Amino acid sequence: SQTIHQWPATLVQPVGSPLSLECTVEGTSNPNLYWYRQAAGRGLQLLFYSVGIGQISSEVPQNLSASRPQDRQFILSSKKLLLSDSGFYLCAWSRLDHNEQFFGPGTRLTVL
Amino acid sequence: AQSVTQLDSQVPVFEEAPVELRCNYSSSVSVYLFWYVQYPNQGLQLLLKYLSGSTLVESINGFEAEFNKSQTSFHLRKPSVHISDTAEYFCAVSSINAGNNRKLIWGLGTSLAVNP
Repeated sequence: SQTIHQWPATLVQPVGSPLSLECTVEGTSNPNLYWYRQAAGRGLQLLFYSVGIGQISSEVPQNLSASRPQDRQFILSSKKLLLSDSGFYLCAWSRLDHNEQFFGPGTRLTVL
Repeated sequence: AQSVTQLDSQVPVFEEAPVELRCNYSSSVSVYLFWYVQYPNQGLQLLLKYLSGSTLVESINGFEAEFNKSQTSFHLRKPSVHISDTAEYFCAVSSINAGNNRKLIWGLGTSLAVNP
């Protein structure tokens, strides 16, 4: 069976500090991978998606970046966090030829 | 372009009462339709999906949704809700012929609060 992991579960960071959130998928190969942000009381905002190693598409211009160094690893980064980066970050995967997405447990980021 | 509208941002309901969470979509192409549920501080879980075939789809915990192509709707219903159904519910669509682009278009969510 497939599982998706995210860490850390919670993170409190000062403004201007760097960020690295990691997501890994087990039990499948060549998944599509997605990073979402969910601000308090709002819906899901797609940040990045990837259809393969090193292939990243950005949906929203911002100070965040994503990388996919391995087939089942997806990393969300920032060099300098802003207050507006606070939120709940969700990683998801889907099979290459399917639309259904499977979500990780999320990371709660608070920028102070 | 596609869009999803969840008509109610919050739905309060008493335990054992019926509930309907409304979802309408706009698309120039055929779509797949999904309902996801998010419990507090957790990731999203797929509740049910419409891909093809019967327009009425059911989940294992008593929810059902009906695809209505003429009204471009995919409303979620449950005849009798439990306290444990309290959660955020998201409707989403994606193009059938998406190629490598398997993005989902999301509604803003409906917060279901079941009260005793």
